[in-house]
Amino acid sequence: DAGVTQSPTHLIKTRGQQVTLRCSPKSGHDTVSWYQQALGQGPQFIFQYYEEEERQRGNFPDRFSGHQFPNYSSELNVNALLLGDSALYLCASSMGGDYGYTFGSGTRLTVV
Amino acid sequence: RKEVEQDPGPFNVPEGATVAFNCTYSNSASQSFFWYRQDCRKEPKLLMSVYSSGNEDGRFTAQLNRASQYISLLIRDSKLSDSATYLCAVNYNKLIFGAGTRLAVHP
Repeated sequence: DAGVTQSPTHLIKTRGQQVTLRCSPKSGHDTVSWYQQALGQGPQFIFQYYEEEERQRGNFPDRFSGHQFPNYSSELNVNALLLGDSALYLCASSMGGDYGYTFGSGTRLTVV
Repeated sequence: RKEVEQDPGPFNVPEGATVAFNCTYSNSASQSFFWYRQDCRKEPKLLMSVYSSGNEDGRFTAQLNRASQYISLLIRDSKLSDSATYLCAVNYNKLIFGAGTRLAVHP
């Protein structure tokens, strides 16, 4: 039973570029949440997708957008990258968002 | 005020010590509570859920006080392998984390 898988594992981008990160949830999970974790900080909630719609959103600018597909997989898009967007981006899946969340191993994004 | 606040640490303790972490949350509508463990440059992994009645898993004990909006984690007989960052998380249809408390267990 595959857990949550994220791709790519590492990424280096230049300021102003756009990036797309991908997440496949754990089998049986229908809800995907995205988090940004800067060094030395806890994960910060970006948004959550359920039934292909954004259900909840944290305090992140519109440069951060996402999508959920019919197979429950999800993408996180970040436009106009800033140096401050450098972080570990984590995807977590759950059943309906009410129970335990399982995390992927993350994508480490570096913006130069 | 942050939604979830934790002792910043770091906690440096010898093997065999008992260590306690505390966490407070601001949203009284919070539905469920968790402790996660995160190793350096890895993803958070669920350590245990936290129930009102308190729960224990081996050397780990978690407590929840809804009236005070307070969660705790007690680790007894610390092992070197317990060295990690411990994150408390509060769920109200989205999982919100504290900043984490770093634990370093030394010989």
